[in-house]
Amino acid sequence: QKEVEQNSGPLSVPEGAIASLNCTYSDRGSQSFFWYRQYSGKSPELIMFIYSNGDKEDGRFTAQLNKASQYVSLLIRDSQPSDSATYLCAGVDSWGKLQFGAGTQVVVTP
Amino acid sequence: EPEVTQTPSHQVTQMGQEVILRCVPISNHLYFYWYRQILGQKVEFLVSFYNNEISEKSEIFDDQFSVERPDGSNFTLKIRSTKLEDSAMYFCASSGIGGRTDTQYFGPGTRLTVL
Repeated sequence: QKEVEQNSGPLSVPEGAIASLNCTYSDRGSQSFFWYRQYSGKSPELIMFIYSNGDKEDGRFTAQLNKASQYVSLLIRDSQPSDSATYLCAGVDSWGKLQFGAGTQVVVTP
Repeated sequence: EPEVTQTPSHQVTQMGQEVILRCVPISNHLYFYWYRQILGQKVEFLVSFYNNEISEKSEIFDDQFSVERPDGSNFTLKIRSTKLEDSAMYFCASSGIGGRTDTQYFGPGTRLTVL
């Protein structure tokens, strides 16, 4: 069974601090990885994607991929109350199927 | 900015009834997907669709499910005889010319409630 694993949280982060989210995956055939944000009752909203080993920065977000360790992470800098949501990690296989983790709930406290 | 749209936003049906969930993918996208999310659980892949045929389907996507692209804009998911366990949020997604592994953009979802 190919799995994407995430800590469910909740991850409590003070406003202005850095939130660090982790994800591991078992399918070595996964081509790229995506971080989606999901507010309660809403659909997944893309934050960023990464397909090469190393870091990728986009505004307050940095994704990191380590294919040898099968590990993906997301850092959220200067966390805001509006960042409070569930963050979904997903890998995509060569057929385009997204395999989602269960998500990490982030709570940013003022 | 182009977006995926879905109708209806909420569908209530009786067990055994047929439902059709509708999606309008982003206009120049080529790959189309349905996912579902049972309350409190993971987002699960159902089916992918490209070039007017199914590319891949999950174990969930049994004979009760079908997909269709009846015209150049709509993409539908039909459940022939709904069961209580089909109650979930159903999300349509589409991706563009970057290939199957390109970024998928999700619609707002249809909440299906089976009574």
